[in-house]
Amino acid sequence: EAQVTQNPRYLITVTGKKLTVTCSQNMNHEYMSWYRQDPGLGLRQIYYSMNVEVTDKGDVPEGYKVSRKEKRNFPLILESPSPNQTSLYFCASSSYGGNTEAFFGQGTRLTVV
Amino acid sequence: AQKITQTQPGMFVQEKEAVTLDCTYDTSDQSYGLFWYKQPSSGEMIFLIYQGSYDEQNATEGRYSLNFQKARKSANLVISASQLGDSAMYFCAMSPTTSGTYKYIFGTGTRLKVLA
Repeated sequence: EAQVTQNPRYLITVTGKKLTVTCSQNMNHEYMSWYRQDPGLGLRQIYYSMNVEVTDKGDVPEGYKVSRKEKRNFPLILESPSPNQTSLYFCASSSYGGNTEAFFGQGTRLTVV
Repeated sequence: AQKITQTQPGMFVQEKEAVTLDCTYDTSDQSYGLFWYKQPSSGEMIFLIYQGSYDEQNATEGRYSLNFQKARKSANLVISASQLGDSAMYFCAMSPTTSGTYKYIFGTGTRLKVLA
């Protein structure tokens, strides 16, 4: 089954404690990205990757890091989480072209206290 | 600037009636894709429908159709014969292709409530 898998689904952590949200896709997609969803703001892109070892900032990259060492994996790293990073996070993947839909993971609800 | 605007934060519709969710977009790209996603209360993002900027016919997928008016830069979603299960948040999105980044840009969403 074609899917994007994110883990964990829910996470409560404390300010400053490094965390990683994993994302893996099994569709051999070149393009992967991370979004955060906040009430009234829709989905905003954090980082994206066009292929292995190619990553770039989205609209709200501050406080986040990513890596793309393998085509299927695109982890999101919060080196020192802060309460303003409390949000719903989505990983998505798609093939190139902009004429195909993005496939989304199940979402990770992160709370930073 | 690339932007998606959804002006209806929330809408109500009676079961079995049709409803239109508005979406306007702004881009200087000549080639782009337009998408609608549904997000039920469980949180996942479900792809509904796609329209390419060069497609002359409006896209349809079952009870969903996309009313594409290129000159007005609008891509409204029409849901026919609404069902209770259609209650959800709906996001319009755009992916410009000529800029080379294939970025997906989302609107702020419209929360639809279907009334029995």
